[in-house]
Amino acid sequence: DSGVTQTPKHLITATGQRVTLRCSPRSGDLSVYWYQQSLDQGLQFLIQYYNGEERAKGNILERFSAQQFPDLHSELNLSSLELGDSALYFCASSVAGQGASEQYFGPGTRLTVT
Amino acid sequence: KNQVEQSPQSLIILEGKNCTLQCNYTVSPFSNLRWYKQDTGRGPVSLTIMTFSENTKSNGRYTATLDADTKQSSLHITASQLSDSASYICVVSVGYGQNFVFGPGTRLSVLP
Repeated sequence: DSGVTQTPKHLITATGQRVTLRCSPRSGDLSVYWYQQSLDQGLQFLIQYYNGEERAKGNILERFSAQQFPDLHSELNLSSLELGDSALYFCASSVAGQGASEQYFGPGTRLTVT
Repeated sequence: KNQVEQSPQSLIILEGKNCTLQCNYTVSPFSNLRWYKQDTGRGPVSLTIMTFSENTKSNGRYTATLDADTKQSSLHITASQLSDSASYICVVSVGYGQNFVFGPGTRLSVLP
């Protein structure tokens, strides 16, 4: 158990809908990262927040957005969902926001878009 | 284009044997290189993190090497166990943690 929690574990929704994925980082970690893992694209970095502020942005679509709240939990919002958005979404947390900081991954949320 | 390649794509070995997985990258500017172990359907677990100045780093039976000149890394697993069956993913950080480029992974199967 990494100490990172993600909810829900599974989510099934229809195309065009909007969903919110939630992540609680390990106690004491200030940084949260979001990743997408699909069968055809592997793992991809989406976005990082550090202490409430966006720190880095990867291959995140404009239909996707995220935020980190004052209690440090984070939410990833996915809108206008397409079939290709079906994937495992992981959240990770670390103490620091840069450099060689160890990242601890949550168990993931499996999103299925039908 | 920032890219990370891994070989082999998959590997089958017998329990107790050693193996070496390879990672080649074309990433600039390089910050650090990480190896993760990922069981099917679960979150990746960090094995090692290596910065530019580090050549070798060990974590139990896992030893990673880094050659920054040739932009190659390897992960050596000693005395494999059935529980080592998983995907091993090489990840390179771009800049000062500005982006992370993932390799496709090597799927390792350890048979009794």
